[in-house]
Amino acid sequence: DAKTTQPNSMESNEEEPVHLPCNHSTISGTDYIHWYRQLPSQGPEYVIHGLTSNVNNRMASLAIAEDRKSSTLILHRATLRDAAVYYCILPLNSGNTPLVFGKGTRLSVIA
Amino acid sequence: NAGVTQTPKFQVLKTGQSMTLQCAQDMNHNSMYWYRQDPGMGLRLIYYSASEGTTDKGEVPNGYNVSRLNKREFSLRLESAAPSQTSVYFCASSKSVDRVVYEQYFGPGTRLTVT
Repeated sequence: DAKTTQPNSMESNEEEPVHLPCNHSTISGTDYIHWYRQLPSQGPEYVIHGLTSNVNNRMASLAIAEDRKSSTLILHRATLRDAAVYYCILPLNSGNTPLVFGKGTRLSVIA
Repeated sequence: NAGVTQTPKFQVLKTGQSMTLQCAQDMNHNSMYWYRQDPGMGLRLIYYSASEGTTDKGEVPNGYNVSRLNKREFSLRLESAAPSQTSVYFCASSKSVDRVVYEQYFGPGTRLTVT
């Protein structure tokens, strides 16, 4: 059973903010929420992760709902290089590893 | 510092042939993972090794075996390849301490075609 639900695809204009949603209604109390992205013809790369409060790093921000049943990855200014498949991921088991990828959201960025 | 390396990059097998995909990491990570990615799909976990000397099944282990040769190396073996195993195979590694989260680093992938 899928642990997360994401839209299949989204589109954004270059230099505009992008909000990528994810639902994870069956999340357990100790599960971290992870986001990875996969650029064309490459392996996935880490973007960000969080447990309860919002998180920021140089790549993105992660907003986590108070009930933790959903989260949103925020890219503050999309660039053409941000075009990728974005995966919202929960761990396979309670030890927070390994990660189980779903189908992700394919983000297209328009110049 | 090469990160995660995988060999070969490409491979074509006939049905029934066997082969081993090699993976090595130079980051002193405890945990290593094998995933497969079919066209247009997300990654599915085949096997993982939380630490040297241990291996566990993931979501899709049937038809595969793994060996954690040492801390650096984690190989994936197909004993009798089938067309359904045509896929891109990714190896990954991470630090691992109970309930502490570290990012996974991925290799460039091995593109396998079984005819």
